[in-house]
Amino acid sequence: GNSVTQMEGPVTLSEEAFLTINCTYTATGYPSLFWYVQYPGEGLQLLLKATKADDKGSNKGFEATYRKETTSFHLEKGSVQVSDSAVYFCALSTTNSGYALNFGKGTSLLVTP
Amino acid sequence: EAGVAQSPRYKIIEKRQSVAFWCNPISGHATLYWYQQILGQGPKLLIQFQNNGVVDDSQLPKDRFSAERLKGVDSTLKIQPAKLEDSAVYLCASSLAPTNEKLFFGSGTQLSVL
Repeated sequence: GNSVTQMEGPVTLSEEAFLTINCTYTATGYPSLFWYVQYPGEGLQLLLKATKADDKGSNKGFEATYRKETTSFHLEKGSVQVSDSAVYFCALSTTNSGYALNFGKGTSLLVTP
Repeated sequence: EAGVAQSPRYKIIEKRQSVAFWCNPISGHATLYWYQQILGQGPKLLIQFQNNGVVDDSQLPKDRFSAERLKGVDSTLKIQPAKLEDSAVYLCASSLAPTNEKLFFGSGTQLSVL
């Protein structure tokens, strides 16, 4: 079956530090990969996505590259801000799952001034 | 553009009671999802609708959970009777079509079963 594994949190970083949140997946077929973010008190929202191998998704300074050979989709940002504090979810969807999202457990990020 | 609306925002009930959650998706979105998010875990799909038909309800505990989307617009998720382990946030999401992979999520209903 399909599954997503994310690194455990919480992750605490100082402002302007480099961020990596690891995500690996198991899927039948050719999944699309996503990062969703949940800011405090808000609903989940799409951060970025990639639909095929070697695609790079990017948004708001965040990037993730679809690596089929390592079944990974790690989230990176070169310089985090306090406003990036949130919970980040890696997810996948496949045609044989009706395109419904299958989420990881989430990684909490706290950025301190 | 109005987002996905959910109500109530919070609900506290005792075990064996029943509860219902309501969702109004973004106008024009044909696909609607209900997810359950238990504290410390990622959201888990309960049911997926395409218009008023069910696409996937394989993870819905049908002995106690039911959902409907009668007119292909808003949807109701019901639990009867509730168990302690049903305590979670219930998220509704919608998308234009099943193949449109960008989901828009509501703020959720936080359920506490005592």
